[in-house]
Formats: sequence, C-alpha cells, structure tokens
Amino acid sequence: DTAVSQTPKYLVTQMGNDKSIKCEQNLGHDTMYWYKQDSKKFLKIMFSYNNKELIINETVPNRFSPKSPDKAHLNLHINSLELGDSAVYFCASSQVTGRSSGNTIYFGEGSWLTVV
Amino acid sequence: QQQVKQSPQSLIVQKGGISIINCAYENTAFDYFPWYQQFPGKGPALLIAIRPDVSEKKEGRFTISFNKSAKQFSLHIMDSQPGDSATYFCAASIHNAGNMLTFGGGTRLMVKP
Repeated sequence: DTAVSQTPKYLVTQMGNDKSIKCEQNLGHDTMYWYKQDSKKFLKIMFSYNNKELIINETVPNRFSPKSPDKAHLNLHINSLELGDSAVYFCASSQVTGRSSGNTIYFGEGSWLTVV
Repeated sequence: QQQVKQSPQSLIVQKGGISIINCAYENTAFDYFPWYQQFPGKGPALLIAIRPDVSEKKEGRFTISFNKSAKQFSLHIMDSQPGDSATYFCAASIHNAGNMLTFGGGTRLMVKP
C-alpha cells in the first residue's frame, strides 16, 4: 500500500512525442506536487496543487500541464518532448493545514523519463 | 539564484565516524528546515527537521544544528554506518507559501566499512 505511487517508473520516448505521468496518493493529503530531479540530482519544484487548485507554478514551459481530477491525483502531461526534458520526475504530497502538523512532504519513487 | 547552498557535494566517511553536511540559506522568511535522505532509485524521504525557534534537534544518531543569525544549519550523523550511504538534501520552506520546499544541491555520502 504505497503512499504516493506514480506510473510509469521508466519511460523512453522520442523527441516531439506527448507523454503523461500519473500520480496517486492514499494519505488523504490536500496538497500535491511535481518535482524535477536533473542529471546532477538537483531537485526543483515544478507545480503545487491544493485541493485540485494550482497554487504554485514555477518557471516551467507551457508544454508541461498538470491535471488534478481530484485531490488524490495529480497527473503530469508533457507535450512536444525535448531532449532537455530527460530527468526523474517526482510526485509528492503533504498536508498543509496548521503549523503543528508539520510540513512533511512524502515523495513517490520517481518516473525516469528519457527523451531520445 | 540558489537560495539554499549545500556542501560538500560528496563525502566519504569511515564506519563509526561522524558525517557533517552544511547548508546556508538566504531567505529569512524560511521557517522550516528539513533534511531528506535519498537512496538510489528511490524518492527522497524525510529524515529530520527543525524550526528556527530551536538551535538543535536530535533524533537517534542524527542531529540538526541551527544557527539563525548566520543563516546556516547542518546535519551531523554520529557513528556513521554503511547503510547511511545515500544522498542527503537539506531544504527550506515557508509555511504560508504552499509548503514549497527549496532544496540544496545534495551531498552524496559514502560510509566505508
């Protein structure tokens, strides 16, 4: 019973293709995220959704479009894939209500995207 | 502009030794400072965290030291074990800013048996 699960784990695709990565969390959290980890292992926030509403959109190309059908799911769709999109994409979730609850963010195991 | 700077990039420690990883931040609005541990092929997982109203937090072999005036914090791993070999990330966030984590660049720790 994985807390944050994302599929697929590995994805190899050609430049110009469109692909999606799905994410689901069963922790009952109200906030979900997408992070990108590049080849140097640098982790950077891409998007944050709270109760299905976009609250953070860091400088990410319009080719990336997150979709949250409900607060347990946050999918990432990428159009016209480029070589530079090759990275590991992590979905994550947290409960962002009240200071006492802490800000623990739970990450999925990552989706390795390779664009060739 | 990298708001959280982490050093060293890599660290080799003998089993039983002390591993020390340092981070410095710039944004004084940060109010939560976690450390995440990432094993190969896995996602980062919370290891220990601190808020700026305390100067030290200890959980087992892991201790965070926090210096608010210097805007620095560090992770100390006592009695380092080979199983501690992983990449460690410091991070910082602002509670009322969507809980967005800003990560340091990561430290790859190898503990030699």
